[in-house]
Amino acid sequence: KQEVTQIPAALSVPEGENLVLNCSFTDSAIYNLQWFRQDPGKGLTSLLLIQSSQREQTSGRLNASLDKSSGRSTLYIAASQPGDSATYLCAVRPGGGADGLTFGKGTHLIIQP
Amino acid sequence: NAGVMQNPRHLVRRRGQEARLRCSPMKGHSHVYWYRQLPEEGLKFMVYLQKENIIDESGMPKERFSAEFPKEGPSILRIQQVVRGDSAAYFCASSPAADSGNTIYFGEGSWLTVV
Repeated sequence: KQEVTQIPAALSVPEGENLVLNCSFTDSAIYNLQWFRQDPGKGLTSLLLIQSSQREQTSGRLNASLDKSSGRSTLYIAASQPGDSATYLCAVRPGGGADGLTFGKGTHLIIQP
Repeated sequence: NAGVMQNPRHLVRRRGQEARLRCSPMKGHSHVYWYRQLPEEGLKFMVYLQKENIIDESGMPKERFSAEFPKEGPSILRIQQVVRGDSAAYFCASSPAADSGNTIYFGEGSWLTVV
């Protein structure tokens, strides 16, 4: 059974810092991995999708890497801003791509102005 | 292009009543997923549907819960005889196809409170 763990569970840093969020998964046979952002009382917004054959994806100040063999992914946020404050969720899709995502519990991020 | 639309956004039900949550996928999407987010828990997969077919319901509780995605109209998640433990946020997601590797798009969620 796939399990996804996110570390740290919560993080509070001053504005402007670069930071790294970690995600690990127990079964390396994944189809893809996706990072989401969730604001309080809101739905999920997809940030980056990495296919199993890819090593990283970038979008603006965000960069996500994937090491499938070791079961790890990181989300790097450069020059953090107060607007980045949210919960960040990592989710993996099983091999074959047909089934539902397995989510971690998220990292609750606070960027202090 | 409207996103995934869920309604109601907030629903209060007394124990023993029925709850019906609706989800309209993004235009052009034929695959719908339902997830549940319990307080202090991560999102858990419940069911995956295509039009008129349930593809994977391995995450659905065996009793009281059912889902459908008819040929016409939204997908519906139905919870009969609700209990306090059903209080959660229920999220719907859609994608164009299951095996294309496309991003899955989520709705804003339906928050169910059972009193």
